[in-house]
Amino acid sequence: GAVVSQHPSRVICKSGTSVKIECRSLDFQATTMFWYRQFPKQSLMLMATSNEGSKATYEQGVEKDKFLINHASLTLSTLTVTSAHPEDSSFYICSARAETSGDYNEQFFGPGTRLTVL
Amino acid sequence: GQNIDQPTEMTATEGAIVQINCTYQTSGFNGLFWYQQHAGEAPTFLSYNVLDGLEEKGRFSSFLSRSKGYSYLLLKELQMKDSASYLCAVLDSNYQLIWGAGTKLIIKP
Repeated sequence: GAVVSQHPSRVICKSGTSVKIECRSLDFQATTMFWYRQFPKQSLMLMATSNEGSKATYEQGVEKDKFLINHASLTLSTLTVTSAHPEDSSFYICSARAETSGDYNEQFFGPGTRLTVL
Repeated sequence: GQNIDQPTEMTATEGAIVQINCTYQTSGFNGLFWYQQHAGEAPTFLSYNVLDGLEEKGRFSSFLSRSKGYSYLLLKELQMKDSASYLCAVLDSNYQLIWGAGTKLIIKP
């Protein structure tokens, strides 16, 4: 099956610093990648949809200047949390849609990144 | 608005059968997914239904009724490792996944 990697898996940073999370599709090309955030005991919340070579589409309530997304290639998308604060502490998950997965648009998920802002 | 409902928590016994229900109201429908998520991990794909009926895959089966906006995930011969959250998600008319809040399944010996 298709594999998506995410790096780092865990990060602890000080308030005010920026953190970059990478999402890579390892064995397929993903023209579309998604970034989710999940707080404890809650469901996945879509933050933005990232299309290769174009600007990301952000969901309502998600600050695009705070959560910078870059999808420079068909296998890599990055999410940068700028000037992170304790309330940004969460589990961030990326997924990639394999356009050639057949007759449905399955999303393959990365393992997630646990961000803790002190 | 778009809405997906599933029970918050269910408890079942090892070796038994459990059915997790999901009802949805979305703008358009391009399929329904079930994912399994263990604590602290990303979701893993279990099933996809786009036509009415039952899809069976080993111990897991998923059912869809589009006219009723209803799906269920059936888990047979429950094992302790099946303790996890089960997420129902619908692909809407824009091919965006709309997620339910998940059902936490607790398996008891």
